[in-house]
Amino acid sequence: ETGVTQSPTHLIKTRGQQVTLRCSSQSGHNTVSWYQQALGQGPQFIFQYYREEENGRGNFPPRFSGLQFPNYSSELNVNALELDDSALYLCASSSGGGRNYGYTFGSGTRLTVV
Amino acid sequence: QKEVEQNSGPLSVPEGAIASLNCTYSDRGSQSFFWYRQYSGKSPELIMFIYSNGDKEDGRFTAQLNKASQYVSLLIRDSQPSDSATYLCAVRGSGGSNYKLTFGKGTLLTVNP
Repeated sequence: ETGVTQSPTHLIKTRGQQVTLRCSSQSGHNTVSWYQQALGQGPQFIFQYYREEENGRGNFPPRFSGLQFPNYSSELNVNALELDDSALYLCASSSGGGRNYGYTFGSGTRLTVV
Repeated sequence: QKEVEQNSGPLSVPEGAIASLNCTYSDRGSQSFFWYRQYSGKSPELIMFIYSNGDKEDGRFTAQLNKASQYVSLLIRDSQPSDSATYLCAVRGSGGSNYKLTFGKGTLLTVNP
């Protein structure tokens, strides 16, 4: 059974650019959530996808968007990058729409915006 | 008022001691609670989850939940230097928010040899 994998591991972008982060969920998991973790803070919920539909969103602007594919992998897209978007982006997968137990996190993508 | 608060760190304990980590939450309807461990530069790793009032033990770890007081804690017995990490408390929301986890800022634990 494979875990949650994310790519890339590190990324440097310039303010105003767009970025796409990718996540493959753990085998058997149909729900993917994305979290943003700024330095020294706990992860903050961005949004969740269940069976290819967004079924929950945190307090993030519309320039944060996502997709989930039929194989349950997911993408997080961020447009018009700002310096404050620099953070560790975590993907987490679970089964049952996120109502079962805890989430398994991937190793994360470290995004630096300069 | 912050939704999930953890005791301010850093917390330093000698090897072999008991480390006590605390967390309070504001959503009285919350039903499930999680402790994650995060090593520097790594992603969070689930240690324990607890749903019912009382204690839940797993090896050297004990989670304690008191829903009336909206309080959850994690005890680490016989602390080891390898336990040195940031510990994150997470709470699953109630009602329409029961799909997301709300995290505290974390408590940095250092276990001194």
